[in-house]
Amino acid sequence: KAGVTQTPRYLIKTRGQQVTLSCSPISGHRSVSWYQQTPGQGLQFLFEYFSETQRNKGNFPGRFSGRQFSNSRSEMNVSTLELGDSALYLCASSRGGGSNQPQHFGDGTRLSIL
Amino acid sequence: AQSVSQHNHHVILSEAASLELGCNYSYGGTVNLFWYVQYPGQHLQLLLKYFSGDPLVKGIKGFEAEFIKSKFSFNLRKPSVQWSDTAEYFCAVRRDNYGQNFVFGPGTRLSVLP
Repeated sequence: KAGVTQTPRYLIKTRGQQVTLSCSPISGHRSVSWYQQTPGQGLQFLFEYFSETQRNKGNFPGRFSGRQFSNSRSEMNVSTLELGDSALYLCASSRGGGSNQPQHFGDGTRLSIL
Repeated sequence: AQSVSQHNHHVILSEAASLELGCNYSYGGTVNLFWYVQYPGQHLQLLLKYFSGDPLVKGIKGFEAEFIKSKFSFNLRKPSVQWSDTAEYFCAVRRDNYGQNFVFGPGTRLSVLP
């Protein structure tokens, strides 16, 4: 069974640009969550999508947005990039809506802002 | 707001030493608890989880964790560590209500010396 797939693995952008990251969950998983991982802050929750609806949102500015498609694939968009957006962005999927469902993580997209 | 704390930022042990990593959370209701591990260059993997029942749960690779409700704790243990256990360990909590997101602790880096 294929795991969570994130593309691209690496991205280099400059300040002010925008970027779109993609996540394909494990087959049959309907929930997708996004996290920002940095050495100083650990894993910070961005948002969660379930059945194409945003179910939860973390404390990030509106420059961070996402969506989920009918096949459960998800995209995350960051506009007007800032130096502080440099991080590893992780996607995690889980089977359904139950709070006891563990999340399965992808390898992440490492975003570097110059 | 719900928070998760991990007692140690960096733990250094020799092979065969016993390990205990602390995790405490702030939410007083019913929670689901998880430990994840991130080996160097790899994605986060689930070590073990607790939902209900026996508060002592066993996970992969000889790890176990004990849920102590009165102390809001979920400490991770391993009787004898190996060099291959060198990794970063994250505790995560999810409240047992629909639509609650995961909250991760800041992580503990474990270095096992051969």
